[in-house]
Amino acid sequence: ETGVTQSPTHLIKTRGQQVTLRCSSQSGHNTVSWYQQALGQGPQFIFQYYREEENGRGNFPPRFSGLQFPNYSSELNVNALELDDSALYLCASSAGGIFSGETQYFGPGTRLLVL
Amino acid sequence: DAKTTQPNSMESNEEEPVHLPCNHSTISGTDYIHWYRQLPSQGPEYVIHGLTSNVNNRMASLAIAEDRKSSTLILHRATLRDAAVYYCIPVITGNQFYFGTGTSLTVIP
Repeated sequence: ETGVTQSPTHLIKTRGQQVTLRCSSQSGHNTVSWYQQALGQGPQFIFQYYREEENGRGNFPPRFSGLQFPNYSSELNVNALELDDSALYLCASSAGGIFSGETQYFGPGTRLLVL
Repeated sequence: DAKTTQPNSMESNEEEPVHLPCNHSTISGTDYIHWYRQLPSQGPEYVIHGLTSNVNNRMASLAIAEDRKSSTLILHRATLRDAAVYYCIPVITGNQFYFGTGTSLTVIP
């Protein structure tokens, strides 16, 4: 059984560009959540997808969007990048929505630097 | 919003027990309390969770106050590998999953 994987591991972009980050869920998991973690801070919830539908969103603007595919892999898209978007982006998969109390399994993250 | 209060940092000697406190005074009756930890340069990992009664697993124990407004994560014998940031997370139905800033645990050899 493979764990949660993310790609790429590191990425450098310039302000105004767009970025797509990818996540492969753990086998058998139908829910994926994305988090942003700034340096020295705890992860902040961006949104969650359950069976390909958005199922909860944190306090992030619409330029943060996502997709979940039928195989439950997922993408996080960020448009019009800003310097403050520089952070570690984490995805986590679970067998049910996080609001059901299911354990989340995290990937190692993608570190994004916006110049 | 349901928020948590945790000490910014704690220290423990190796092989001694560690009690990590958390206050979550606005939690509601159906919200689970989760604890995760994040080792340096890794994503968070699940430690334990509970609803009302105390819980034990191979990693730790979770003691939940009777009024559920606070909980304590107990590591029975701290090892160097337990040095991490520990997050207390009351999962709030219909609201976001809030990590907070956590407690940074240092284990002294």
